[in-house]
Amino acid sequence: QVQLQESGPGLVKPSETLSLTCDVSGGPINTNNWWSWVRQPPGKGLEWIGETHHSGITNYNLSLKSRVTISADKSKNQFSLKLNSVTAADTAVYYCATDTMVRGVLHKWGQGTLVTVSS
Amino acid sequence: DIQMTQSPSSLSASVGDRVTITCRASQGITNYLAWYQLKPGKVPKVLIHAASTLQSGVPSRFSASGSGTDFTLTINSLQPEDVATYYCQKYNSAPRTFGQGTKVEVK
Repeated sequence: QVQLQESGPGLVKPSETLSLTCDVSGGPINTNNWWSWVRQPPGKGLEWIGETHHSGITNYNLSLKSRVTISADKSKNQFSLKLNSVTAADTAVYYCATDTMVRGVLHKWGQGTLVTVSS
Repeated sequence: DIQMTQSPSSLSASVGDRVTITCRASQGITNYLAWYQLKPGKVPKVLIHAASTLQSGVPSRFSASGSGTDFTLTINSLQPEDVATYYCQKYNSAPRTFGQGTKVEVK
């Protein structure tokens, strides 16, 4: 069964780039799954950030599209999130997730990682 | 973009009560609607997909319905372990937007 684990810095300075990686275990990333990122700012709701397919196709939340890049690395069986020009508003728990059963429905999630944007 | 609007934003009910949460899409999404449960300190869990299909292992007191733009999630006989925030999500196409969430508490 696919397992997901996020990793990356827990503290990022304003204006810098937030970079997270999601390690995929229990199955290959080059399947028909869509590999997604979702975040939850403190005290707020879930926000869909975007998704990638191993073929290279990506889809993004339009409100973040100018700052976000999601990509998959088949050789490492992982996918990543890069969010540039971060501000305090980007402080959140970031989850990686995937649709293991129904396309677009996020059945499998990582544990989540808190990223704080602060100087 | 299609917007997803949930109501209420929060509710408090007694154990055994029937609780209903609504989710409205700004445009029709047929039945491409999922419901998630997020408990504090836990990972989001899919309860429902295809608007009304209960995920394996989800208690039968959870049910859902709807199509097009209007959807509901019902918890029959609310239990203490149902304390959580519930989110709807459209998944017919990207962006796969979530509703803003409904926080359910027990009186």
